[in-house]
Amino acid sequence: NAGVTQTPKFRILKIGQSMTLQCTQDMNHNYMYWYRQDPGMGLKLIYYSVGAGITDKGEVPNGYNVSRSTTEDFPLRLELAAPSQTSVYFCASSLTFRTSGETQYFGPGTRLLVL
Amino acid sequence: AQTVTQSQPEMSVQEAETVTLSCTYDTSENNYYLFWYKQPPSRQMILVIRQEAYKQQNATENRFSVNFQKAAKSFSLKISDSQLGDTAMYFCAFEETSGSRLTFGEGTQLTVNP
Repeated sequence: NAGVTQTPKFRILKIGQSMTLQCTQDMNHNYMYWYRQDPGMGLKLIYYSVGAGITDKGEVPNGYNVSRSTTEDFPLRLELAAPSQTSVYFCASSLTFRTSGETQYFGPGTRLLVL
Repeated sequence: AQTVTQSQPEMSVQEAETVTLSCTYDTSENNYYLFWYKQPPSRQMILVIRQEAYKQQNATENRFSVNFQKAAKSFSLKISDSQLGDTAMYFCAFEETSGSRLTFGEGTQLTVNP
């Protein structure tokens, strides 16, 4: 199993550009998450999904969109990049909420710089 | 809303010694889960240890153990026989049992010196 994979590893965007951060997991997990980590801070939840076709907002959803067309993939879309979105983005997955406390498996992160 | 506080931005320890990282949290829930994650320079988030609030026994994983004080809402991590590879940012995290959404603290940068 590759676990959770993210692409790209690093990207520079100009203000107003758009991009999609890709996330794929091969563990057949129902739950998937997107976090952002600002310098010197903990992770903050952007969006999460409890299964294919179902997504919900986290703490900091503004400026982002997600979709979940398959169990494996959970892309994060930035439509109009702003400097405030400069951060490291982590995707994670877990089996199911019914086993709350289930370990979340994290991807390696995507570093995004908006200039 | 739940909050998690790590009051030590940075700590250092000599190799082979013991170090304790602090974490406090605030919640009105009675049942929940607490975690310590490690983030080395590679930026990967790695689960170190997990504690279930309804269990009184403190969790232990090899050189890592916790001191869970439910009444005080405190959840400290003890690392024994510190190794150079333990150098990393450590995050305390909280998860309510009604969902699967982690709340993270600000992190403590631990440096193990040779």
